[in-house]
Amino acid sequence: AQKVTQAQTEISVVEKEDVTLDCVYETRDTTYYLFWYKQPPSGELVFLIRRNSFDEQNEISGRYSWNFQKSTSSFNFTITASQVVDSAVYFCALHDRGSTLGRLYFGRGTQLTVWP
Amino acid sequence: GAGVSQSPSNKVTEKGKDVELRCDPISGHTALYWYRQSLGQGLEFLIYFQGNSAPDKSGLPSDRFSAERTGGSVSTLTIQRTQQEDSAVYLCASSLLMQASGGVADTQYFGPGTRLTVL
Repeated sequence: AQKVTQAQTEISVVEKEDVTLDCVYETRDTTYYLFWYKQPPSGELVFLIRRNSFDEQNEISGRYSWNFQKSTSSFNFTITASQVVDSAVYFCALHDRGSTLGRLYFGRGTQLTVWP
Repeated sequence: GAGVSQSPSNKVTEKGKDVELRCDPISGHTALYWYRQSLGQGLEFLIYFQGNSAPDKSGLPSDRFSAERTGGSVSTLTIQRTQQEDSAVYLCASSLLMQASGGVADTQYFGPGTRLTVL
């Protein structure tokens, strides 16, 4: 069973629109960590945020914001006033007590295309 | 400071040949990870190192794959007798501490990857 589900395979928006990328995770642990990474066309995975399960405060960083809701096992990512440079594949990932070998469980990613 | 570096950035090889992929982690990072990204398979975990030790190699897809790390720094992923299904982007990541089960999950920082094409 997938531990991290990103149901949106592709999203297209026009510049300046707001867009939300969904992430639903599955774990039985009370201690876990969630991550978002961005993969632009250059291919390198860029770390965006890490959140532990004990901190449900939403976070805002410039045009980026994250909504963590344990009740629905979701960790959604919103880009406000999107820009062409936001075009990339975005991955949500989970580390929990079952994460042997130090691995991260990644979702399949959401391809975001922002049109000018 | 410098991030994770990988070489080569692209590698084209013929089926049956051996290839070596190199990863240079961020200085001071004790943990190193290899992942594979291929179309339709997403990001697949291969192996991790804590120092020079790889406690479990069961993530490697076959016995044609091996990895080593020397001096607690550079790591090499070797694929012997390459097959077309080995074509993928191989990503390396490093973190300051090992993400021990139940412990603090330190952030993994990724390199640019090596795109391997097996003809």
